[in-house]
Order: sequence, then C-alpha cells, then structure tokens
Amino acid sequence: QQQVRQSPQSLTVWEGETAILNCSYEDSTFNYFPWYQQFPGEGPALLISIRSVSDKKEDGRFTIFFNKREKKLSLHITDSQPGDSATYFCAAVMNYNQGKLIFGQGTKLSIKP
Amino acid sequence: GALVYQYPRRTICKSGTSMRMECQAVGFQATSVAWYRQSPQKTFELIALSTVNSAIKYEQNFTQEKFPISHPNLSFSSMTVLNAYLEDRGLYLCGARDWGVRQYFGPGTRLTVL
Repeated sequence: QQQVRQSPQSLTVWEGETAILNCSYEDSTFNYFPWYQQFPGEGPALLISIRSVSDKKEDGRFTIFFNKREKKLSLHITDSQPGDSATYFCAAVMNYNQGKLIFGQGTKLSIKP
Repeated sequence: GALVYQYPRRTICKSGTSMRMECQAVGFQATSVAWYRQSPQKTFELIALSTVNSAIKYEQNFTQEKFPISHPNLSFSSMTVLNAYLEDRGLYLCGARDWGVRQYFGPGTRLTVL
C-alpha cells in the first residue's frame, strides 16, 4: 500500500512557466514533508520542506502549498529553468524523533527551453 | 556544510558473492543513519534505521542476516549485501539526519549483479 502518492508521474513544461507537482498522503500522523530533487546518477538532495503546522513554505522559486484537511500538498516551481529538469520526490515523516522517511514514487520533470 | 559521502560509487559483483559499502557524515552531528535502496523503476525502500542509543531496526523484507550493518559511531556506517542476486541490484543510499529533522543523502552506491 502506497502511503505517499505523487502525480503526475512525468511532467513537461516550457522554460519560464510554473511547474506544479502534486503529493498526497494517507496517514494523518505524518507531520513533516520534505521534497527531494534527484538528478540522474546522483543521490536525492533536500530541496524544501514543510511542517504540518504551516500551510505554505517559500524558498526562492520553490513553494510548497499544504492542505492538512485534504492530506494534500503541492510543489510549485515558478519561472522554470532547464536546470530544474530532474525527478522530484515527496516524502513524509511521522515521528519527529526518527529518521524514517516514506517516499512517493516521484515526478520526472522536464523543462523545454 | 553538511555532506554525506558514500563509497564506492559503483560496484559490480557476481551473483552469490557479497559486497560492502560505506557511508560517512561530515560537517554535522548525525543523530540517525538510514539505509535505503532505490531499485530500477521504484522509489526508495527503507532497509534499516539506527538512531542514537538504540539498536538497528530493520524494515520488513530486510534482515540483518542479509544486510548486516556496522556503525562504530553515527558519523560512519557500513553495510554489506550478502549473497547478492539480481533482485538486489539498485542504488543504495545512506541518509544521515542532523539534530533537527533534515536528512541528508549521499550520492549512493550503485550495485550491479552479474
């Protein structure tokens, strides 16, 4: 059973547009949600994260919108650049005191110049 | 800055043989270390998690007998894949968590089994 789901599986947007990546989860005890960016052949890099007490987190061109009631969140990448082309993973943590991350299946993002 | 190193980056082993991989956290105090496997076409599967002052906890489908882990301290960890077979291939990632909730990953060790 997939506890964290991402959509779409792949996404292509033009350079300069806003890319929207979606994530949903099932367990209401999840309280921390990091997003990771992974380039081919590399490990995932922490991009941005949000705690369940917030509904929005912004860092430059990257913004997370969080809806606790619907158990959904989304990552918005504004002014998309070709260098943003990567696979993005949404993850969830249920216990602050542990390092156990539950990952989604990932969204492969391609930015067309 | 916080960095996690993994060695080797790539390795090839014959079916039925074993291989060891290492992980080191640099620049921060790791409070937990987790090993994940990213198989082809799959997301990350947690293999085992070790935290300060607690024993290593393995997830379902992963055992100490198959993936023994050694960690003299949380900044250094090694894991061996014993009797590797085709289904064990993938990218093995080490994630180290700091005193907050941030978990940093290394570049991974890619295992190919022939």
